[in-house]
Amino acid sequence: DQQVKQNSPSLSVQEGRISILNCDYTNSMFDYFLWYKKYPAEGPTFLISISSIKDKNEDGRFTVFLNKSAKHLSLHIVPSQPGDSAVYFCAASQSAYNQGGKLIFGQGTELSVKP
Amino acid sequence: SAVISQKPSRDICQRGTSLTIQCQVDSQVTMMFWYRQQPGQSLTLIATANQGSEATYESGFVIDKFPISRPNLTFSTLTVSNMSPEDSSIYLCSARQWGPSTDTQYFGPGTRLTVL
Repeated sequence: DQQVKQNSPSLSVQEGRISILNCDYTNSMFDYFLWYKKYPAEGPTFLISISSIKDKNEDGRFTVFLNKSAKHLSLHIVPSQPGDSAVYFCAASQSAYNQGGKLIFGQGTELSVKP
Repeated sequence: SAVISQKPSRDICQRGTSLTIQCQVDSQVTMMFWYRQQPGQSLTLIATANQGSEATYESGFVIDKFPISRPNLTFSTLTVSNMSPEDSSIYLCSARQWGPSTDTQYFGPGTRLTVL
């Protein structure tokens, strides 16, 4: 049962343009969402998060949008840079402490930003 | 933010042997976890490392195969026991920090394990 899904395994974008990475979830109890970037041979690096009380969170070039009714979130990177080329994972959890804070990850989307 | 280090960074092991991976966090954290990322796959949670008590394992993972220790708030070990080639994977330590205005989970660099 894949509770968090990233349906696009790869995405190619021209430098300077917008990258949009999508993520869907099925568990309505999820109320906290995170995006991670992962380079080969490294651990995932935290990028940005959003709580279900918000529908948008912005940090520099990165913006995450949350549509709770559609159970969908997206990560926008503007402008895209070649250094953004990596695998991006979305993750979801129930943030309440007594739920254990377990993160459930999507399958990842490999972003390639071409100069 | 929390900085997480893991040892070893990689290893090549023989079938039937065991390997212990160490994880050190540079600050006290609320929770510590162990994940596995098999080739071409997503990150799968193995267990939550509980301080001073037995770890909480996810479905499909058992203590005899993946014994975990967490003697204090900043250190944990994962042992991969009686290894087979199917255990070849990247093993990742993770730590979560809660606060009044923060809730973030960090990852170590991973241990790349190859079992021959």
